[in-house]
Amino acid sequence: AQRVTQPEKLLSVFKGAPVELKCNYSYSGSPELFWYVQYSRQRLQLLLRHISRESIKGFTADLNKGETSFHLKKPFAQEEDSAMYYCAPTLRNTGFQKLVFGTGTRLLVSP
Amino acid sequence: EAGVTQSPTHLIKTRGQQVTLRCSPISGHTSVYWYQQALGLGLQFLLWYDEGEERNRGNFPPRFSGRQFPNYSSELNVNALELEDSALYLCASRGKRNTIYFGEGSWLTVV
Repeated sequence: AQRVTQPEKLLSVFKGAPVELKCNYSYSGSPELFWYVQYSRQRLQLLLRHISRESIKGFTADLNKGETSFHLKKPFAQEEDSAMYYCAPTLRNTGFQKLVFGTGTRLLVSP
Repeated sequence: EAGVTQSPTHLIKTRGQQVTLRCSPISGHTSVYWYQQALGLGLQFLLWYDEGEERNRGNFPPRFSGRQFPNYSSELNVNALELEDSALYLCASRGKRNTIYFGEGSWLTVV
């Protein structure tokens, strides 16, 4: 069964510190991976997708197929990065039948 | 373009009652997803509708059901409400590049 694990419920860092939000998945096929973010009083929204190899708001995420991980990283955290982050891997060949989200990690960036 | 809209935004029901939640996807989106976000838990997949058909459902009892209308809007019905059904119910629709767009959710409190 497909499974996604975000081991940290809460990650607290100081402004300017590096951030890494962990995500591990267990899939037998070829996944497409997303990170979604929910800022306070806003709706859940897409942050980035691995297939685009993009950097959004200074965040990047590398797919490591060997470790089955898709960790989200930012070299210098900002206070406005404080939010709830969800990892969402899905199998391309399932047609997004069941887009599964991790349990989420709350990032708190203190001044 | 208008985003995913959900109604009602908040409601309180008594245990044993029934509730219907509504969702309108972004114009042109045919896939609708429902998720439950209970306090302290992540996003739990409930149902997936596409082109008017239920394509998949999560590990929820049959009293959770729904449908999708010809205009692609959707309803989520929960019968025989239990206290643990209290949660934020999120609707999402899928657009280009498989991006998922979320509504702001319906807060359900069961007393």
